[in-house]
Amino acid sequence: SQTIHQWPATLVQPVGSPLSLECTVEGTSNPNLYWYRQAAGRGLQLLFYSVGIGQISSEVPQNLSASRPQDRQFILSSKKLLLSDSGFYLCAWSVGTQETQYFGPGTRLLVL
Amino acid sequence: SQQGEEDPQALSIQEGENATMNCSYKTSINNLQWYRQNSGRGLVHLILIRSNEREKHSGRLRVTLDTSKKSSSLLITASRAADTASYFCATDAGGSNYKLTFGKGTLLTVNP
Repeated sequence: SQTIHQWPATLVQPVGSPLSLECTVEGTSNPNLYWYRQAAGRGLQLLFYSVGIGQISSEVPQNLSASRPQDRQFILSSKKLLLSDSGFYLCAWSVGTQETQYFGPGTRLLVL
Repeated sequence: SQQGEEDPQALSIQEGENATMNCSYKTSINNLQWYRQNSGRGLVHLILIRSNEREKHSGRLRVTLDTSKKSSSLLITASRAADTASYFCATDAGGSNYKLTFGKGTLLTVNP
């Protein structure tokens, strides 16, 4: 069966510090991978998606970047965090043209 | 901009009652999905309805889709305290099977 992991679960970082959030998927090959951000009481905002290794599409201009160094690994990064980067970050995967997405447990990021 | 918009934003009912949540969207879609999110957790896929379907059932869930009105409803029958969660509708963005656009969600509270 497929599983998706995200870590860390919670992160408190000072403004201006770097960020690296990792997402890995098990039990499937060549998944589509997604990073979302969810502000408190809001819906999900798609940040990046990837349909293959090294292929990253950015949805919104921002302080963040994404990389996919391996087939089932998706990394969200920032060189210098801003206060506005605080939120709940969710990684998700889907397969081929199947529309359903499967979400990880999320990382809560608080930038102080 | 948000494609899906749910209403109401919050709904509080007693156990055993039915809960109805609505979603409106703006552009043509291939399908519409409903997801559930428990507080502080990732999203879980509930049901997908295609644009050529009008109604779909899954257990205690009933989803309708009216493409002429660009709206969908999610009905949870005989609600339980464990149904307490946020519910989101999601539409495929611009006909792409890779990307979903989520609404802001309805927070459902089921009181025992």
